Amino acid sequence: GQQLNQSPQSMFIQEGEDVSMNCTSSSIFNTWLWYKQDPGEGPVLLIALYKAGELTSNGRLTAQFGITRKDSFLNISASIPSDVGIYFCAGRHTGTASKLTFGTGTRLQVTL
Amino acid sequence: NAGVTQTPKFRVLKTGQSMTLLCAQDMNHEYMYWYRQDPGMGLRLIHYSVGEGTTAKGEVPDGYNVSRLKKQNFLLGLESAAPSQTSVYFCASSTGQGYGYTFGSGTRLTVV
Repeated sequence: GQQLNQSPQSMFIQEGEDVSMNCTSSSIFNTWLWYKQDPGEGPVLLIALYKAGELTSNGRLTAQFGITRKDSFLNISASIPSDVGIYFCAGRHTGTASKLTFGTGTRLQVTL
Repeated sequence: NAGVTQTPKFRVLKTGQSMTLLCAQDMNHEYMYWYRQDPGMGLRLIHYSVGEGTTAKGEVPDGYNVSRLKKQNFLLGLESAAPSQTSVYFCASSTGQGYGYTFGSGTRLTVV
């Protein structure tokens, strides 16, 4: 089955730095979503994108739906220790019973 | 609001044993899903349901069965557990209207 290519696999950054990660697919999606997973918990939705070119923010997080509809980007500004976790992108095709295809995740670690 | 509740949270099985993972949601969502999460693999869809009494295969259905007898519950069964089924299992639900999923907190299963 298809999986999304997500990069980087892991990041080790200092508090206050900005973070960028991206997700690419070989096929077109009509929805892109970004989730965060804390240790021992299920993923929690951060941002949802529904239109090519769309740029959406949620606090210090900003995500974009790529123009080609085959990629998406997530930026975190001024990282803080609680940003630690695994970030997943997910894409949805039209008419697929709302099934999501997930990326392999980006593990973010933040040091003081 | 409980959201999506998974039981049990942890389980150790011997090869060949059977068990059922329970998922319950109180949001009146039509769609429910079972995913497994393995290191470096992201989340992969096992089975899903688009409504009470319906089930369908996902990306990795072999060795699993599911039932959705009631709208709020989605059960995942392992008839004869194998070490390859050692994983973290997540249940999720959605309205199916293009929004993201709500995930449970996961079941960590080890098959020895």
